[in-house]
Amino acid sequence: KQEVTQIPAALSVPEGENLVLNCSFTDSAIYNLQWFRQDPGKGLTSLLLIQSSQREQTSGRLNASLDKSSGRSTLYIAASQPGDSATYLCAVGLTSGTYKYIFGTGTRLKVLA
Amino acid sequence: DGGITQSPKYLFRKEGQNVTLSCEQNLNHDAMYWYRQDPGQGLRLIYYSQIVNDFQKGDIAEGYSVSREKKESFPLTVTSAQKNPTAFYLCASSQTVSNEKLFFGSGTQLSVL
Repeated sequence: KQEVTQIPAALSVPEGENLVLNCSFTDSAIYNLQWFRQDPGKGLTSLLLIQSSQREQTSGRLNASLDKSSGRSTLYIAASQPGDSATYLCAVGLTSGTYKYIFGTGTRLKVLA
Repeated sequence: DGGITQSPKYLFRKEGQNVTLSCEQNLNHDAMYWYRQDPGQGLRLIYYSQIVNDFQKGDIAEGYSVSREKKESFPLTVTSAQKNPTAFYLCASSQTVSNEKLFFGSGTQLSVL
């Protein structure tokens, strides 16, 4: 059974710091992996989608990497800003043709001004 | 603007009452999903639909029902059989069901009176 873990559960950093959020999964047979952002009381916004054949994806100050063999993905945020404060969730897409994403519980990030 | 609209934002249920959560999308997506989010837990899939007039149970379908009479609409009914309905409910859609990028609505917080 696929399990997705995000550690730490919460993180506080000063503004301007570069930071890395971690996502681990137990079964390497994945189809893709998505990173989402969730603001309090809101829905999820997709940040980056990495297909299983890719190693990384970049969007602005965000870079997500995927290492299937070790069951890990990281989300790198460069030059963090207070507006980056939110909960970041990763979700692993199971093998092609199925409907399922397995979500992690998220890392709650606070960027201090 | 294209997107997913969920209503209401807050909903209260009395003992023995059925309540219906609305989800409408104008993205022309084939696939739609309902997730439940509880504090400290990852999102869990309740139901999903690949096409009109078809839907499948997710991991926690007991006590819930759905319909998909129109492509753009996927309402969720929380029945009196669901004994612990208090949660944040999220509707999502994707172009197809094959693990593509998920788009989420802003959620409905359901509480029990």
